Amino acid sequence: EADIYQTPRYLVIGTGKKITLECSQTMGHDKMYWYQQDPGMELHLIHYSYGVNSTEKGDLSSESTVSRIRTEHFPLTLESARPSHTSQYLCASSSGTGFSDTQYFGPGTRLTVL
Amino acid sequence: GQSLEQPSEVTAVEGAIVQINCTYQTSGFYGLSWYQQHDGGAPTFLSYNALDGLEETGRFSSFLSRSDSYGYLLLQELQMKDSASYFCAVRVARDDKIIFGKGTRLHILP
Repeated sequence: EADIYQTPRYLVIGTGKKITLECSQTMGHDKMYWYQQDPGMELHLIHYSYGVNSTEKGDLSSESTVSRIRTEHFPLTLESARPSHTSQYLCASSSGTGFSDTQYFGPGTRLTVL
Repeated sequence: GQSLEQPSEVTAVEGAIVQINCTYQTSGFYGLSWYQQHDGGAPTFLSYNALDGLEETGRFSSFLSRSDSYGYLLLQELQMKDSASYFCAVRVARDDKIIFGKGTRLHILP
């Protein structure tokens, strides 16, 4: 059973608000990821981290930022939410040891910006 | 650029066998994974191939041919609960991110 948590699960917010999506894992994984996914569509990597104080932008241009101060915690922040940010945000982690290459996904945060 | 190609949709009958193909063009290759995602849910890991050949896990098997840059997921004895999207994913290097395909929507008919 994967132990990766995301809060909130659902969020409806007005344009211009600052929001932080929380992601925590208790598996001690070094690698963590944020994906954006619209219903029935592909996963887009927006940020990833290989360890504390390491963050990289993914393939999809994003106006969000992330931080990795603790191994278990990888929050994503939107400084000013817009309707175009409406989507599902999935957090994942992995140990990435080659022969055990499982990414464990959290339940996701479904964000609606009005 | 990096790309993974898989069919957008596949339809099969309950109890049958279905194969979902994935071809990739990436700057490197460290392993091929498969994930299942039900509507409204998060992706869950199914299998991983780092070496050529077939890996079997219950009703699901996954195959890899590195020389052909090709893999497939084989689902046997299909059940209605197997209706979902299936994503192939490639890790380009040991310490690099995973690249996901666009997903294959599997429809199962009774």
